[in-house]
Amino acid sequence: QVQLVQSGAEVKKPGASVKVSCKASGYTFTGYYMHWVRQAPGQGLEWMGWINPNSGGTNYAQKFQGRVTMTRDTSISTAYMELSRLRSDDTAVYYCARVRGSLRLEHGMDVWGQGTTVTVSS
Amino acid sequence: DIQMTQSPSSLSASVGDRVTITCQASQDISNYLNWYQQKPGKAPKLLIYDASNLETGVPSRFSGSGSGTDFTFTISSLQPEDIATYYCQQYDNLRITFGQGTRLEIK
Repeated sequence: QVQLVQSGAEVKKPGASVKVSCKASGYTFTGYYMHWVRQAPGQGLEWMGWINPNSGGTNYAQKFQGRVTMTRDTSISTAYMELSRLRSDDTAVYYCARVRGSLRLEHGMDVWGQGTTVTVSS
Repeated sequence: DIQMTQSPSSLSASVGDRVTITCQASQDISNYLNWYQQKPGKAPKLLIYDASNLETGVPSRFSGSGSGTDFTFTISSLQPEDIATYYCQQYDNLRITFGQGTRLEIK
């Protein structure tokens, strides 16, 4: 079945970096855009950016420009999100989510990873 | 970036009630509006895409409408399992924005 499996929880110190992975299975990885979305404790959903797994092209939310890098490894159908210069307010659950519809961005996110908890604390 | 104003922020209703949530975009987004349900500790689930299309496997009591800047999400007859937080999400010019969310409770 179609699924996204993310890497495990991380605890980081302020100023460090974190890299979260998202392994896709059950579909053609390069055929669908992938978003990254985060959710701070008790807060709403916040879009971070997307990657086109086919071309490697990316688009980041302005808030994260310069701190986030999204990459992929097509040989293992895995997308990555790296966030640098971590602060305490980066503590959140980070999700990867596939966009519905082949290489289209408009149609919503139909498959989600289980989420990766990143805790930033000194 | 486009701003999404979702209301109400919370809502209490009885089983069997008709429930309506609205989302307003700060500019025209055509029909590029999606709705999600999120239960505590779980990832969001896509319910409605392109403003009014029901995602596969989603019960028909859920529906969406609207275009341009004003959108509505409706549960025709609230069920106990519908207790969750609901989010709208827009797409425009390569970027995404979520609404603030609506927490739905049973009265």
